[in-house]
Amino acid sequence: NAGVMQNPRHLVRRRGQEARLRCSPMKGHSHVYWYRQLPEEGLKFMVYLQKENIIDESGMPKERFSAEFPKEGPSILRIQQVVRGDSAAYFCASSSQQGTEAFFGQGTRLTVV
Amino acid sequence: AQKVTQAQTEISVVEKEDVTLDCVYETRDTTYYLFWYKQPPSGELVFLIRRNSFDEQNEISGRYSWNFQKSTSSFNFTITASQVVDSAVYFCALSEAGGTYKYIFGTGTRLKVLA
Repeated sequence: NAGVMQNPRHLVRRRGQEARLRCSPMKGHSHVYWYRQLPEEGLKFMVYLQKENIIDESGMPKERFSAEFPKEGPSILRIQQVVRGDSAAYFCASSSQQGTEAFFGQGTRLTVV
Repeated sequence: AQKVTQAQTEISVVEKEDVTLDCVYETRDTTYYLFWYKQPPSGELVFLIRRNSFDEQNEISGRYSWNFQKSTSSFNFTITASQVVDSAVYFCALSEAGGTYKYIFGTGTRLKVLA
Protein backbone atom coordinates (compact mmCIF):
# COMPACT_ATOMS: atom_id res chain seq x y z
CA ASN A 1 0.00 0.00 0.00
CA ALA A 2 1.89 2.99 -1.29
CA GLY A 3 1.90 6.08 0.86
CA VAL A 4 1.25 9.64 -0.21
CA MET A 5 3.40 10.32 -3.25
CA GLN A 6 4.67 13.76 -4.07
CA ASN A 7 6.68 14.77 -7.07
CA PRO A 8 9.04 16.18 -7.79
CA ARG A 9 10.99 15.89 -4.54
CA HIS A 10 13.09 18.89 -5.45
CA LEU A 11 12.18 21.68 -7.81
CA VAL A 12 14.24 24.68 -8.82
CA ARG A 13 12.59 27.59 -10.56
CA ARG A 14 13.78 31.00 -11.61
CA ARG A 15 11.87 34.04 -10.43
CA GLY A 16 8.81 34.57 -12.59
CA GLN A 17 8.42 30.95 -13.67
CA GLU A 18 5.57 28.65 -12.71
CA ALA A 19 5.88 25.78 -10.25
CA ARG A 20 3.60 22.74 -10.35
CA LEU A 21 3.64 20.37 -7.43
CA ARG A 22 1.85 17.03 -7.60
CA CYS A 23 0.37 14.87 -4.91
CA SER A 24 -1.14 11.41 -5.25
CA PRO A 25 -3.01 10.50 -2.06
CA MET A 26 -2.96 7.10 -0.46
CA LYS A 27 -5.22 4.55 -2.06
CA GLY A 28 -8.76 5.01 -0.84
CA HIS A 29 -8.16 8.54 0.44
CA SER A 30 -10.30 11.30 -0.99
CA HIS A 31 -9.25 14.18 1.28
CA VAL A 32 -6.09 16.10 0.46
CA TYR A 33 -4.37 18.85 2.38
CA TRP A 34 -1.46 21.07 1.39
CA TYR A 35 0.93 22.60 3.91
CA ARG A 36 3.91 24.87 3.55
CA GLN A 37 7.00 24.74 5.73
CA LEU A 38 9.25 27.75 5.57
CA PRO A 39 12.87 27.23 6.64
CA GLU A 40 13.19 26.57 10.38
CA GLU A 41 9.44 26.89 10.91
CA GLY A 42 6.49 24.61 11.50
CA LEU A 43 4.01 23.63 8.87
CA LYS A 44 1.24 26.03 7.94
CA PHE A 45 -2.06 24.90 6.48
CA MET A 46 -2.77 26.13 2.97
CA VAL A 47 -5.76 24.33 1.48
CA TYR A 48 -8.06 21.36 1.96
CA LEU A 49 -9.59 19.62 -1.04
CA GLN A 50 -11.86 16.74 -1.79
CA LYS A 51 -12.33 15.36 -5.26
CA GLU A 52 -13.22 18.27 -7.57
CA ASN A 53 -13.93 20.57 -4.62
CA ILE A 54 -11.98 23.09 -2.60
CA ILE A 55 -13.28 22.84 0.94
CA ASP A 56 -11.08 25.34 2.74
CA GLU A 57 -8.47 27.60 1.17
CA SER A 58 -8.10 29.97 4.09
CA GLY A 59 -4.33 29.46 4.22
CA MET A 60 -3.66 30.12 0.56
CA PRO A 61 -2.05 33.39 -0.47
CA LYS A 62 -4.58 35.46 -2.37
CA GLU A 63 -2.53 35.75 -5.51
CA ARG A 64 -0.43 33.41 -7.63
CA PHE A 65 -1.37 30.24 -5.73
CA SER A 66 -4.05 27.77 -6.78
CA ALA A 67 -4.88 24.16 -6.06
CA GLU A 68 -7.03 21.50 -7.64
CA PHE A 69 -7.92 17.88 -7.07
CA PRO A 70 -9.57 16.58 -10.25
CA LYS A 71 -11.78 13.55 -10.51
CA GLU A 72 -8.92 11.67 -12.09
CA GLY A 73 -5.28 12.16 -11.34
CA PRO A 74 -3.23 13.80 -8.63
CA SER A 75 -3.84 16.98 -6.72
CA ILE A 76 -1.88 19.91 -8.10
CA LEU A 77 -0.56 22.94 -6.25
CA ARG A 78 0.31 25.63 -8.74
CA ILE A 79 2.38 28.70 -8.04
CA GLN A 80 2.56 31.28 -10.77
CA GLN A 81 5.33 33.84 -11.16
CA VAL A 82 7.34 32.46 -8.28
CA VAL A 83 9.34 34.76 -6.03
CA ARG A 84 12.21 34.00 -3.66
CA GLY A 85 9.85 34.02 -0.70
CA ASP A 86 8.04 30.99 -2.15
CA SER A 87 11.10 28.86 -1.44
CA ALA A 88 9.90 26.29 1.07
CA ALA A 89 8.97 22.67 1.54
CA TYR A 90 5.44 21.91 0.42
CA PHE A 91 3.80 18.91 2.01
CA CYS A 92 0.71 17.12 0.91
CA ALA A 93 -1.31 14.92 3.25
CA SER A 94 -4.31 12.70 2.72
CA SER A 95 -6.92 11.05 4.85
CA SER A 96 -9.79 8.67 4.25
CA GLN A 97 -12.27 10.99 5.90
CA GLN A 98 -12.47 13.92 8.22
CA GLY A 99 -11.48 13.29 11.79
CA THR A 100 -8.88 10.67 11.03
CA GLU A 101 -5.15 11.04 10.97
CA ALA A 102 -3.58 12.47 7.87
CA PHE A 103 -0.59 10.81 6.32
CA PHE A 104 2.01 13.07 4.84
CA GLY A 105 4.06 12.74 1.72
CA GLN A 106 7.78 13.33 1.66
CA GLY A 107 7.36 16.89 0.50
CA THR A 108 8.53 18.92 -2.44
CA ARG A 109 11.35 21.31 -1.76
CA LEU A 110 10.97 24.35 -3.96
CA THR A 111 13.93 26.62 -4.46
CA VAL A 112 13.47 29.88 -6.31
CA VAL A 113 16.68 31.34 -7.70
CA ALA B 1 -8.14 30.88 18.27
CA GLN B 2 -6.27 27.63 18.17
CA LYS B 3 -2.59 27.59 18.98
CA VAL B 4 0.14 25.07 19.71
CA THR B 5 3.25 26.04 21.64
CA GLN B 6 6.44 24.04 21.73
CA ALA B 7 8.62 26.18 23.93
CA GLN B 8 11.71 24.02 23.58
CA THR B 9 13.42 25.00 20.37
CA GLU B 10 16.28 22.53 20.68
CA ILE B 11 17.23 19.83 23.15
CA SER B 12 20.47 17.86 23.30
CA VAL B 13 20.80 14.67 25.28
CA VAL B 14 23.31 11.89 25.53
CA GLU B 15 22.29 8.49 24.27
CA LYS B 16 20.27 6.41 26.75
CA GLU B 17 18.98 9.45 28.58
CA ASP B 18 15.25 10.02 28.84
CA VAL B 19 13.88 13.18 27.29
CA THR B 20 10.49 14.90 27.40
CA LEU B 21 9.22 17.20 24.70
CA ASP B 22 6.60 19.67 25.82
CA CYS B 23 3.46 20.69 23.97
CA VAL B 24 0.87 23.16 25.19
CA TYR B 25 -2.23 23.90 23.18
CA GLU B 26 -5.10 26.36 23.13
CA THR B 27 -8.52 25.73 21.72
CA ARG B 28 -12.13 26.66 22.42
CA ASP B 29 -13.40 23.43 20.94
CA THR B 30 -14.56 20.71 23.28
CA THR B 31 -13.78 18.06 20.68
CA TYR B 32 -10.36 18.09 19.09
CA TYR B 33 -7.42 15.91 18.19
CA LEU B 34 -3.77 16.11 19.13
CA PHE B 35 -0.91 14.64 17.16
CA TRP B 36 2.81 14.16 17.22
CA TYR B 37 4.91 13.90 14.09
CA LYS B 38 8.61 13.23 13.63
CA GLN B 39 10.65 14.88 10.91
CA PRO B 40 14.04 13.18 10.54
CA PRO B 41 16.90 14.85 8.65
CA SER B 42 15.64 13.30 5.42
CA GLY B 43 12.67 15.65 5.66
CA GLU B 44 9.59 13.47 5.58
CA LEU B 45 6.91 13.65 8.24
CA VAL B 46 6.31 10.48 10.19
CA PHE B 47 3.04 10.06 12.08
CA LEU B 48 3.56 9.01 15.69
CA ILE B 49 0.28 9.33 17.55
CA ARG B 50 -3.24 10.75 17.45
CA ARG B 51 -5.25 11.41 20.58
CA ASN B 52 -8.81 12.70 20.84
CA SER B 53 -9.89 15.12 23.51
CA PHE B 54 -12.05 12.60 25.32
CA ASP B 55 -9.29 10.10 25.84
CA GLU B 56 -6.92 11.18 28.58
CA GLN B 57 -5.30 7.82 29.03
CA ASN B 58 -1.57 7.90 28.70
CA GLU B 59 -0.15 5.97 25.80
CA ILE B 60 3.00 3.91 25.62
CA SER B 61 4.53 2.50 22.48
CA GLY B 62 7.89 0.92 23.00
CA ARG B 63 10.28 3.65 24.13
CA TYR B 64 7.73 6.36 23.40
CA SER B 65 5.07 7.57 25.81
CA TRP B 66 2.61 10.42 25.79
CA ASN B 67 1.05 12.27 28.69
CA PHE B 68 -2.20 14.08 27.89
CA GLN B 69 -3.54 16.41 30.58
CA LYS B 70 -6.58 18.49 29.72
CA SER B 71 -6.32 20.40 33.00
CA THR B 72 -3.07 21.97 31.86
CA SER B 73 -3.77 21.75 28.09
CA SER B 74 -0.62 19.76 27.59
CA PHE B 75 0.30 16.76 25.50
CA ASN B 76 3.89 15.89 26.32
CA PHE B 77 6.02 13.28 24.63
CA THR B 78 8.72 11.26 26.38
CA ILE B 79 11.38 9.15 24.78
CA THR B 80 12.94 6.65 27.14
CA ALA B 81 16.54 5.51 26.66
CA SER B 82 17.04 7.79 23.67
CA GLN B 83 19.00 6.64 20.67
CA VAL B 84 20.90 8.50 17.98
CA VAL B 85 18.19 7.55 15.48
CA ASP B 86 15.72 9.58 17.54
CA SER B 87 17.49 12.75 16.39
CA ALA B 88 14.88 14.71 14.49
CA VAL B 89 12.49 17.63 14.70
CA TYR B 90 9.31 16.71 16.51
CA PHE B 91 6.07 18.54 15.85
CA CYS B 92 2.96 18.66 17.97
CA ALA B 93 -0.28 19.50 16.17
CA LEU B 94 -3.92 20.20 16.96
CA SER B 95 -7.01 19.84 14.82
CA GLU B 96 -10.64 20.57 15.37
CA ALA B 97 -13.14 17.79 14.87
CA GLY B 98 -15.89 18.16 12.36
CA GLY B 99 -16.26 20.89 9.81
CA THR B 100 -13.11 22.06 8.13
CA TYR B 101 -10.24 19.81 9.03
CA LYS B 102 -6.79 21.31 9.31
CA TYR B 103 -3.84 20.99 11.57
CA ILE B 104 -2.30 23.74 13.63
CA PHE B 105 1.35 22.86 14.07
CA GLY B 106 3.75 23.97 16.73
CA THR B 107 7.11 25.30 15.65
CA GLY B 108 8.81 22.03 16.48
CA THR B 109 11.50 20.87 18.86
CA ARG B 110 14.82 19.77 17.43
CA LEU B 111 16.15 16.81 19.37
CA LYS B 112 19.81 15.92 19.12
CA VAL B 113 20.87 12.63 20.64
CA LEU B 114 24.61 12.42 21.04
CA ALA B 115 26.47 9.12 21.01
